[in-house]
Amino acid sequence: AQTVTQSQPEMSVQEAETVTLSCTYDTSESDYYLFWYKQPPSRQMILVIRQEAYKQQNATENRFSVNFQKAAKSFSLKISDSQLGDAAMYFCAYRSDRRSQGNLIFGKGTKLSVKP
Amino acid sequence: NAGVTQTPKFQVLKTGQSMTLQCAQDMNHNSMYWYRQDPGMGLRLIYYSASEGTTDKGEVPNGYNVSRLNKREFSLRLESAAPSQTSVYFCASSPEAARPNSPLHFGNGTRLTVT
Repeated sequence: AQTVTQSQPEMSVQEAETVTLSCTYDTSESDYYLFWYKQPPSRQMILVIRQEAYKQQNATENRFSVNFQKAAKSFSLKISDSQLGDAAMYFCAYRSDRRSQGNLIFGKGTKLSVKP
Repeated sequence: NAGVTQTPKFQVLKTGQSMTLQCAQDMNHNSMYWYRQDPGMGLRLIYYSASEGTTDKGEVPNGYNVSRLNKREFSLRLESAAPSQTSVYFCASSPEAARPNSPLHFGNGTRLTVT
């Protein structure tokens, strides 16, 4: 069974600085998809970024980028120029490429605080 | 653009009471999911429905039942609520399980407290 581990329960960053959130996963599959979701205090789950395992190029979305290391099974999220609105819980998630599997497997989350 | 709508937003139950959490999506998605979120545990899958007419157990199905009423609606029922079911419940949908690169779209959650 696949597992997702986020080893940092809490992180803090100064406004305008850069922070990296860690995520590792365990799988025996070669094709899969990885996601980062943001959950602000409003409780809404918001997709931040996604990565296909077959793509070597790291995904980027504006100030958000990932460092995907397939061999190491690592999928970290880098937030550049941090803003107060980035304060939230961040969840790393795995999704199998197998057709019978549709659900996301989540890590336990990292709570990010942004200091003004 | 309603997306995924969950009702109610909050609910307090007494041990042994029953209730149904409602979920509806207007994106014509085939697959729907129910998750629970507990502090320090992330989100865990309770049940999912890959397509209309099918449902399958997830990681933590005990104490729950589901109904895929039609393509739009997927309800979660607690027949006899227990304090261990105090949690935040999320419904989600995606175009289909066969397109795993499509993200899940989530509702805003239901905070359930069982006393």
